[in-house]
Amino acid sequence: EVQLVESGGGLVQPGGSLKLSCVASGFTFSGSAMHWVRQASGKGLEWVGRIRSKANGYATEYAASVKGRFTISRDDSKNMAYLQMNSLKTEDTAVYYCTKLDSSGAYYHDYWGQGTLVTVSS
Amino acid sequence: DIQMTQSPSSLSASVGDRVTITCRASQSISRFLNWYQQKPGEAPKVLIYVASSLQSGVPSRFSGSGSGTDFALTISTLQPEDFATYYCQQSYSAPYSFGQGTKLEIK
Repeated sequence: EVQLVESGGGLVQPGGSLKLSCVASGFTFSGSAMHWVRQASGKGLEWVGRIRSKANGYATEYAASVKGRFTISRDDSKNMAYLQMNSLKTEDTAVYYCTKLDSSGAYYHDYWGQGTLVTVSS
Repeated sequence: DIQMTQSPSSLSASVGDRVTITCRASQSISRFLNWYQQKPGEAPKVLIYVASSLQSGVPSRFSGSGSGTDFALTISTLQPEDFATYYCQQSYSAPYSFGQGTKLEIK
């Protein structure tokens, strides 16, 4: 059974940093790109970024709203993905989901974590 | 970056109704368009992928159509459990943008 479990959310002041973690199980993690999607309370879904597999050079891409402030990384030996968030703004307050794309190449998010809440406030 | 525009942003309907939600991309995305359903307090769940493929386990009353820039999600006969928020997402090129969502409410 595929599972994605996020952790690391919490309250942080504007300008601060936070690192989210996502532990994966039930699929070949090392061969999968991992994505982060966020959702502010009562708002829509926003794609944050992704990290591709080793075979694809661990390439990363980010939404314009977080580029230069957020960094996605992974540790295939631990089946972990990370989202390092720096220079946080109040508008980064959201539930952050870790998600994977399906393995058939159809490029849809087939599994999601339960989400972890990040609150940026003074 | 590709912008996704959904309409309507909200919709009131009754059980048994047929409803259609549309999604327009700012440039051609071929058929790389997915539809998700989200209920309060839950993570999104995929319904339709690559424009018209029904995800395993999703009822056949859900269907998707379109290609290029214009897409649609149709629910043929609304059931009580279908009242939720629906999002389209393009997976043609990163950033994989979502539409703003359509909240489907009971009339």
